[in-house]
Amino acid sequence: GAVVSQHPSWVICKSGTSVKIECRSLDFQATTMFWYRQFPKQSLMLMATSNEGSKATYEQGVEKDKFLINHASLTLSTLTVTSAHPEDSSFYICSARDYGRLYEQYFGPGTRLTVT
Amino acid sequence: SQQGEEDPQALSIQEGENATMNCSYKTSINNLQWYRQNSGRGLVHLILIRSNEREKHSGRLRVTLDTSKKSSSLLITASRAADTASYFCATDALQAGTALIFGKGTTLSVSS
Repeated sequence: GAVVSQHPSWVICKSGTSVKIECRSLDFQATTMFWYRQFPKQSLMLMATSNEGSKATYEQGVEKDKFLINHASLTLSTLTVTSAHPEDSSFYICSARDYGRLYEQYFGPGTRLTVT
Repeated sequence: SQQGEEDPQALSIQEGENATMNCSYKTSINNLQWYRQNSGRGLVHLILIRSNEREKHSGRLRVTLDTSKKSSSLLITASRAADTASYFCATDALQAGTALIFGKGTTLSVSS
């Protein structure tokens, strides 16, 4: 299957700072990527859909000014958590559809964010 | 957004026993997938069943799909301690711009 990478795999930051998480499709081009958030002992919740060259679409209840998404190329989407607070501590997972493989969706390994 | 409930939320069994998890969903789908997630780790894709399929097998896994009831089940036979993990179903409309939507998951604990 196709490969999606995330960087960093884990990050600890202080409250009030911003953190950027990268998501890359390594062997395919992804016009659409997705960002999920997972709190401890809960399921994955879709946060936003990232479209290459256009604005992201956010799910209801997700603050677009807090979670900035940039999909500047066909292989890279970034999620920036601005002015992070302890309640933003979570596991962030990105995924991408490979249209060359019948739209199958592939997941990155996730990024553990801890805000102190 | 989430599709629906998974049942049970938690399941504890002994090694060698079978584990059955159920998943319900709300919308039309192209396929339904099951994933495993060990504590604090990423997702591992287990099996995909398409909407025109009723049953699928992969090793010790058996998945059924009932589109009339909008439900699916995952059976793990002869469970092992290494099967201890959270299991999630995810539905896919397989359309450009739409994401997989996950169920709430079942936490399986297999004791030796």
